[in-house]
Amino acid sequence: AQSVTQLDSHVSVSEGTPVLLRCNYSSSYSPSLFWYVQHPNKGLQLLLKYTSAATLVKGINGFEAEFKKSETSFHLTKPSAHMSDAAEYFCVVSASVTGGGNKLTFGTGTQLKVEL
Amino acid sequence: DAGITQSPRHKVTETGTPVTLRCHQTENHRYMYWYRQDPGHGLRLIHYSYGVKDTDKGEVSDGYSVSRSKTEDFLLTLESATSSQTSVYFCAISERGQVAWNEQFFGPGTRLTVL
Repeated sequence: AQSVTQLDSHVSVSEGTPVLLRCNYSSSYSPSLFWYVQHPNKGLQLLLKYTSAATLVKGINGFEAEFKKSETSFHLTKPSAHMSDAAEYFCVVSASVTGGGNKLTFGTGTQLKVEL
Repeated sequence: DAGITQSPRHKVTETGTPVTLRCHQTENHRYMYWYRQDPGHGLRLIHYSYGVKDTDKGEVSDGYSVSRSKTEDFLLTLESATSSQTSVYFCAISERGQVAWNEQFFGPGTRLTVL
């Protein structure tokens, strides 16, 4: 079985300061990992994904994440927070399932607050 | 946004009544999924489909059934709604399901309240 743990349920930063959202995963094989973002009362949008091609993954809106196998981590970072980054962020691990689809297992989410 | 719509967007119903939620896609993607989102749980997979008439259970399938008679439509039915099924339901689609790293695209969600 695979799982993800988001280490902080809430993170608060000031606008212009760095963002760090932490995620640890558990998987019996090489994982496929994603970060999704959900703005209030909206659906989910893919920020970035790790597919084993490169350990440092760049996503949209200046976000990036680094896959560290030795630490089983996939932390999300951004050098400078913007007010529009305020949202809920989900770390997700993926696995293939019967019939060829893939099942996403979500973390419990980290609510990011950005203050002036 | 990927061409995914969900209907209804909001619904209030009473315990014991049947409820059907619809997901419609215009992307011609093969794979479709239903998730529910609850505070403190993230999203959890209810059922998924890997083709017309081909479906399978996810991790929280009890009390739910699905049907897919056309590529573009995936229906989620609560046979007899209970208060524990009050949640926000999301449909998702993906194109190539043969590898684990295919991202899924999500619909706008349906907020269901069971009184």
